[in-house]
Amino acid sequence: DAGVTQSPTHLIKTRGQQVTLRCSPKSGHDTVSWYQQALGQGPQFIFQYYEEEERQRGNFPDRFSGHQFPNYSSELNVNALLLGDSALYLCASSSLATSGRVTDTQYFGPGTRLTVL
Amino acid sequence: DQQVKQNSPSLSVQEGRISILNCDYTNSMFDYFLWYKKYPAEGPTFLISISSIKDKNEDGRFTVFLNKSAKHLSLHIVPSQPGDSAVYFCAASGGNGNKLVFGAGTILRVKS
Repeated sequence: DAGVTQSPTHLIKTRGQQVTLRCSPKSGHDTVSWYQQALGQGPQFIFQYYEEEERQRGNFPDRFSGHQFPNYSSELNVNALLLGDSALYLCASSSLATSGRVTDTQYFGPGTRLTVL
Repeated sequence: DQQVKQNSPSLSVQEGRISILNCDYTNSMFDYFLWYKKYPAEGPTFLISISSIKDKNEDGRFTVFLNKSAKHLSLHIVPSQPGDSAVYFCAASGGNGNKLVFGAGTILRVKS
């Protein structure tokens, strides 16, 4: 049973560029959440997708956008990259259908390390 | 506004002894709490959770205690093993939010 997978593992971009990160949830999960983890800090919630719609959003600018596909996989897009966007981007999956609560337990992927130069 | 705080950046414990990691929260709406362990170059791994209707939950060597009146939870690891060395994150959720709010993490080093 594959867990949460993310691609790519590492990415280097320059300021002003755009980036797309990808996530496949754990088998049986229907909800995907994205987090940003800066060095020395805990993960910070970006947004969450369920049934291909954004259910909730954290305190991130509109440069951060996402999408969920019918197979529950998800993408995170960041436009007009800033140096401060350099971080580990984590995807977490969970199941609303079985628990009734999305956040009872979220399972994380290995993350994508984004470096903005 | 840091709603979940882990005030100890690091903790060093001898193998076989107890490790106690602490976490404080400020939001009274939080009703579900989780602990994650993270190794370098990996994503956080779920360890144990507790609902606000309980004050203790145990899973093998790991026990989480919740003190709602003090808005405090702790993770006990007994006995500690060198493989437990990692960063431990406390997280909380609840209210009208569906997101996890994380603390900054505590680095645990278990010495053999």
